[in-house]
Amino acid sequence: TQLLEQSPQFLSIQEGENLTVYCNSSSVFSSLQWYRQEPGEGPVLLVTVVTGGEVKKLKRLTFQFGDARKDSSLHITAAQPGDTGLYLCAGGRGETSGSRLTFGEGTQLTVNP
Amino acid sequence: EAGVAQSPRYKIIEKRQSVAFWCNPISGHATLYWYQQILGQGPKLLIQFQNNGVVDDSQLPKDRFSAERLKGVDSTLKIQPAKLEDSAVYLCASSSRPRLSQFFGPGTRLTVL
Repeated sequence: TQLLEQSPQFLSIQEGENLTVYCNSSSVFSSLQWYRQEPGEGPVLLVTVVTGGEVKKLKRLTFQFGDARKDSSLHITAAQPGDTGLYLCAGGRGETSGSRLTFGEGTQLTVNP
Repeated sequence: EAGVAQSPRYKIIEKRQSVAFWCNPISGHATLYWYQQILGQGPKLLIQFQNNGVVDDSQLPKDRFSAERLKGVDSTLKIQPAKLEDSAVYLCASSSRPRLSQFFGPGTRLTVL
């Protein structure tokens, strides 16, 4: 079983602060996705990274895929209350195995005004 | 474009009863997924369909869970009989092809008493 460990599990910060969430595994993934899930809703895809060392920016969010494709991080600059939610990373397996995603346990982020 | 539709949104049953969930994916999406998300955990894939064929059901508890996608469009997930540990949110997702972005529905929250 390919496990993805996310840290921290819970994070409560003030508006305007910066934060980083980590996603680590002992296994190599062909791709890694980050989702945000709000209460009562399904996860919404934020980004997909596929190349080791890849960095993608989405407004105030910066995503990085580790060189060995075993880990990833999500950095949020100047967090806002609207960023509150459950952040999930999900690793994808190779082409021949289809597209099964293995999800981490999630990081629950609360941004206080 | 309409998103992934799921019903019901909430269901409360007693253990040993049966329950069924329905999912209508995004129009034209050939790949459909059912996930189970237990409170405090990330989603776990139960079954993946490509059109009306099963691609991956390795994590589906087949003694009590069943799913079908007879016409390659909408899908039904059934639990019979339900156990207390089946209490979770059941998420349906779809993608136009495997390995492409998955779009999730709002989920069905099941409580087994």
